[in-house]
Amino acid sequence: DTGVSQNPRHKITKRGQNVTFRCDPISEHNRLYWYRQTLGQGPEFLTYFQNEAQLEKSRLLSDRFSAERPKGSFSTLEIQRTEQGDSAMYLCASSLTLGFEAGELFFGEGSRLTVL
Amino acid sequence: DQQVKQNSPSLSVQEGRISILNCDYTNSMFDYFLWYKKYPAEGPTFLISISSIKDKNEDGRFTVFLNKSAKHLSLHIVPSQPGDSAVYFCAAKGAQKLVFGQGTRLTINP
Repeated sequence: DTGVSQNPRHKITKRGQNVTFRCDPISEHNRLYWYRQTLGQGPEFLTYFQNEAQLEKSRLLSDRFSAERPKGSFSTLEIQRTEQGDSAMYLCASSLTLGFEAGELFFGEGSRLTVL
Repeated sequence: DQQVKQNSPSLSVQEGRISILNCDYTNSMFDYFLWYKKYPAEGPTFLISISSIKDKNEDGRFTVFLNKSAKHLSLHIVPSQPGDSAVYFCAAKGAQKLVFGQGTRLTINP
């Protein structure tokens, strides 16, 4: 499978715990995006990387959230001290910079977080 | 501030007829507009796009129309098929990211 891969697909945790999601983009894609989607809403931008550099973070990304892409390949999104409001689907997407000129992103299947 | 809006949460269309999904935006700086399709338990998949300098783009059964003066775009699907039942997201590209609407759930009835 050469698509965007996300793990775990589902995570149930208790409030206050830390969680980490991993995204493996399509190989050779230098751009990687994280979005969050809640019920009845469209995906909301969280952050994006070009290679290993994190170029933009949304104000939605509070200081409890941190994202990394250490070698410009896979990325992790960590949420510390989870709150019930963090319950959502976390979507990862990748693209080539040139491909993104036309806006096309390739999304993974998402990681669903439920905070009890 | 919702820059991209899809005002119809759901739409039901008979198989074989035309489906028209609508989207409004507020930011004149968007340079591309896209439609994504999402099935349950899957990520969104790209469907069709249009540059802001064009007013129409067609790909098979799918056509996107852009009215810049009205800041409005629409997706036409004709003829509609049962496999088209999904949630459709309108998205706009600006400042190196996509901004999505809330989505419209399309149901095609046999």
